[in-house]
Amino acid sequence: EIVLTQSPGTLSLSPGERATLSCRASRSISSNYLAWYQQKPGQAPRLLIFGASIRATGIPDRFSGSGSGTDFTLTISRLEPEDFAMYFCQQYGSSPRTFGQGTKVEIK
Amino acid sequence: QVLLVQSGAEVQKPGASVKVSCKASGYTFTLYYMHWVRQAPGQGLEWMGIINPTSGTTNYAQKFQDRVTMTGDTSTSTVYMELSSLRSEDTAVYYCARTYMWDDDAFDFWGQGTTVTVS
Repeated sequence: EIVLTQSPGTLSLSPGERATLSCRASRSISSNYLAWYQQKPGQAPRLLIFGASIRATGIPDRFSGSGSGTDFTLTISRLEPEDFAMYFCQQYGSSPRTFGQGTKVEIK
Repeated sequence: QVLLVQSGAEVQKPGASVKVSCKASGYTFTLYYMHWVRQAPGQGLEWMGIINPTSGTTNYAQKFQDRVTMTGDTSTSTVYMELSSLRSEDTAVYYCARTYMWDDDAFDFWGQGTTVTVS
């Protein structure tokens, strides 16, 4: 199975700053079938990005995804208070679908 | 609007089984596939399997192959996930999540989660 490694584990930033989250795959992900999800405490994950770079419906344009092959990035251009949360990457190009262990974006 | 509403929290003893339901509304149930994903306390997300609610076809993650059963009921737009031979490591929040395609598709809507405690 494809192992996804996210870094850093925790990102401490202030509102208005830029957040850059990394997701590295143990082997190439076919057709860039890579998604990013946001999860807040006690809530289900919410789809942000699919196809590595396509924003899901209703997702603000401060969220952007990039990358291909084995290296992917989620960027939040200017952090809003509601963006402080956990973020997971997930590959869906091969079975079993797998997730990264997550990056926590916390208020500095 | 799309809603996936799951059954309530469960407490089960080791060795028992648990059955969690996920009732869909707000979309054409038979056009989508349903997955189950779990999250142990303080841990990441783990995919368990997928079901075609119309045909009943399933594909389970190898880890759960011999313990999980997913079923669907198109008359009530509900899918079920039953996990048997429970052990403490199965304590987790269990989510249903849908995709439009069997493969190559992200989870666009999730249920609210069902907490299963094995103790």
